[in-house]
This record gives sequence, structure tokens and C-alpha cells, in this order.
Amino acid sequence: KQEVTQIPAALSVPEGENLVLNCSFTDSAIYNLQWFRQDPGKGLTSLLLIQSSQREQTSGRLNASLDKSSGRSTLYIAASQPGDSATYLCAAGGYQKVTFGTGTKLQVIP
Amino acid sequence: EAGVAQSPRYKIIEKRQSVAFWCNPISGHATLYWYQQILGQGPKLLIQFQNNGVVDDSQLPKDRFSAERLKGVDSTLKIQPAKLEDSAVYLCASSLTGQGTEAFFGQGTRLTVV
Repeated sequence: KQEVTQIPAALSVPEGENLVLNCSFTDSAIYNLQWFRQDPGKGLTSLLLIQSSQREQTSGRLNASLDKSSGRSTLYIAASQPGDSATYLCAAGGYQKVTFGTGTKLQVIP
Repeated sequence: EAGVAQSPRYKIIEKRQSVAFWCNPISGHATLYWYQQILGQGPKLLIQFQNNGVVDDSQLPKDRFSAERLKGVDSTLKIQPAKLEDSAVYLCASSLTGQGTEAFFGQGTRLTVV
């Protein structure tokens, strides 16, 4: 059974800092790893999808990496802004099943 | 491209009442998911459809929850009767094939059971 863990559960940083969010998974037999953003009271917005054959994906100030052998993924946010404040969730996509972590709640302080 | 549509956005009901949620996935997406997200937790898969067939409903409390996806497009999730612990956000998502393809989520339905 796949288990996904995200550490830390909460993070508070001053505006402008670069930061890294961590995601670990127990079963390396995944098809993909997807990062989502969730604002309070809202649904999930897909940020980046890394296929199992890829090592990283970039979109603007976001960069996500995947190391299947160690069961880890990281989401790097460059030059953080108050608008980045949200909960970030990672999800491991296995054979016809997607397992979510519990998320990291990020607060960027102006 | 239209996204995943869900309704209603909010629902408040008393315990033991019934409630139904509706989801319209992105056109052409074969896979549809229903997730339950309790406050402070990650989403938990309730049921997954591939076209109109059920792929995984292992975590669906079948004594009170039911779901269907007629004609392999829209889907409804029903709770009957509701319990206090069913208070959560119910998220619907769809993906093109379900294997290695990106999942897109709707805005969710926030259910409060009082």
C-alpha cells in the first residue's frame, strides 16, 4: 500500500526566500508524481506533473524533481511571494490509483 | 477548455438526511475520481471510474455512500444517511486515461453535517 508523507506540515518564510517542500513515498512503482496547490475553501490546482521517466519539471518559479529510487520528490519555489501562500499537496500516481500526502501549509510573510 | 464542474459548492444538512453531489468531468476524460478531504488532511480516494465501470471503491463506505457514472460522463455521489463525520470537502477529478496522465480537479463541494 502506497503511503505519501510531506514534511514539514507547515512552513512560514519571509517574502523573497527560496524554499523547498518535501514529499516521500513508500512504493517506487509509480507512473507519475503530481504537485498541487490548494487555497482555503477551494479545489486543487495542478502545478507540475513529473512522469516516472523524468527527473524534473519546471514552470516559472517552480521546479519539481523526482527520485524514484529513493522515493522522494521536492518542490522548489524561487523568490517566494505572499501570493504563494497556500497548502501544497503531492500525489503519487500508481497503477490506476493516486495517493495524496497530507500537504504542507505555506505562509509567505510580506 | 472547460474544467471539471461540481455542484453544489456548499451544502448543510442534518445528520441522518440524504445528500447528492454532481460532477461533470472534462470532455473526453475516461477516468473520474471522487475524493473526500477532511479538514487538515490530504484527499482520500472514495471511488474511481474508468468510463462507466468502477476501478476502485475499496475506501467507499458502501453502507451509506453510493456513486454512479451513467454513460461514462457525469457522475453523482450520494450519502444516505449522513453522519457528523461525513463533514468534509468532496472533490471530483478527471484524467484522460488514469495511467500516468494529469488529474484535474473541480472546486469541490463543502458538506457540513449538523
